[in-house]
Amino acid sequence: GQQLNQSPQSMFIQEGEDVSMNCTSSSIFNTWLWYKQDPGEGPVLLIALYKAGELTSNGRLTAQFGITRKDSFLNISASIPSDVGIYFCAGQLSRGTGGFKTIFGAGTRLFVKA
Amino acid sequence: GAVVSQHPSWVICKSGTSVKIECRSLDFQATTMFWYRQFPKQSLMLMATSNEGSKATYEQGVEKDKFLINHASLTLSTLTVTSAHPEDSSFYICSARALLGQNNSPLHFGNGTRLTVT
Repeated sequence: GQQLNQSPQSMFIQEGEDVSMNCTSSSIFNTWLWYKQDPGEGPVLLIALYKAGELTSNGRLTAQFGITRKDSFLNISASIPSDVGIYFCAGQLSRGTGGFKTIFGAGTRLFVKA
Repeated sequence: GAVVSQHPSWVICKSGTSVKIECRSLDFQATTMFWYRQFPKQSLMLMATSNEGSKATYEQGVEKDKFLINHASLTLSTLTVTSAHPEDSSFYICSARALLGQNNSPLHFGNGTRLTVT
């Protein structure tokens, strides 16, 4: 079945540093999504990407939909303590019956030291 | 927009009892909602797809008689964990995709329900 390989699994960084994480797959996706999950809460959508090559920003966050449609990355610039959390990538692909299937990566745990 | 509300946020129940979790789309209609389970330090595991007006579709390995899903309206889906056991303790999260949005519009998640079975 389809799988997403998300890396790194965890990151320990200093406040102010930039962060980069990515997801790759052997499958082609129609949509790439990036979510952040705080402890005890549901994931919150950060960025949605719909076209190959698309580069989208949301404040200090920037994400890109890979040209091959098989990968995506998320960058966080000038990290701050509240960036701490788990970041999930998700790829959506057509089921062929009109619906879409969403597949999640394993998550990247980000720790920021003030 | 696209707010999903989940209730309760946490629940503690005794072994053998049943627990109902509600998932509501507050500002949009959703013909389809999704129920996930998340174990500590792990990703989201899709349990089932809730379809308004019809039977839910369960993922392989998920017992449909154990996890009853009802999607009675375009804004409400419920998950009932029947005869709960300690191994059912977990974080349950629902999500939905806006009805009028693109078919590949993103999933929006509720805040999750922490279930503890004693």
